[in-house]
Amino acid sequence: GAGVSQSPSNKVTEKGKDVELRCDPISGHTALYWYRQSLGQGLEFLIYFQGNSAPDKSGLPSDRFSAERTGGSVSTLTIQRTQQEDSAVYLCASSLFLRQTVQRVQPYEQYFGPGTRLTVT
Amino acid sequence: QKEVEQNSGPLSVPEGAIASLNCTYSDRGSQSFFWYRQYSGKSPELIMFIYSNGDKEDGRFTAQLNKASQYVSLLIRDSQPSDSATYLCAVSVLVNFGNEKLTFGTGTRLTIIP
Repeated sequence: GAGVSQSPSNKVTEKGKDVELRCDPISGHTALYWYRQSLGQGLEFLIYFQGNSAPDKSGLPSDRFSAERTGGSVSTLTIQRTQQEDSAVYLCASSLFLRQTVQRVQPYEQYFGPGTRLTVT
Repeated sequence: QKEVEQNSGPLSVPEGAIASLNCTYSDRGSQSFFWYRQYSGKSPELIMFIYSNGDKEDGRFTAQLNKASQYVSLLIRDSQPSDSATYLCAVSVLVNFGNEKLTFGTGTRLTIIP
């Protein structure tokens, strides 16, 4: 079946411009994550959407970064007034959530998209 | 203290030997533990997950979980050059009542020496 898709695969932009990165999760996956990975570095958590709950924005590095998820499916990560330090691979991942009890939901394994390589010149 | 800690490596292991990758986590309430493999220039891919204390085996891979020690490990038997990659540990972390999200370690770079 179709996996997580991201577009564009590569984006080169000038410093100060705005960019939008898109993520199409696996159909039926209620959880969606955005990460950033600089060359040779680990995954940096940015934002997390789970169903209709308010997103966890605790990883966004500045107010230039924002994300939305429309209709519980497609998500767009927007970076305003890009800076050179924003250059990185932006990865999106989606997962199912498995409800274990009435009060608790359990995360399931994440499936990653191919990423968008952003270069700010 | 980081929520999930891994030795960044690089870890070099001779071909055919056992590679041992370790991960510690800080949240005692964590319930789910995952190992991902990431080849250079590629996205992470899931290798194994474990929810219960003890060992879980899948082919050449064995995940070990010790919740009392807050420790999870991945053993790779009969290491192959194709196992050379960065291995990421991911742990569920409670973010608010009833909800959890996965938190990743920074990864351990493994090199299998022919």
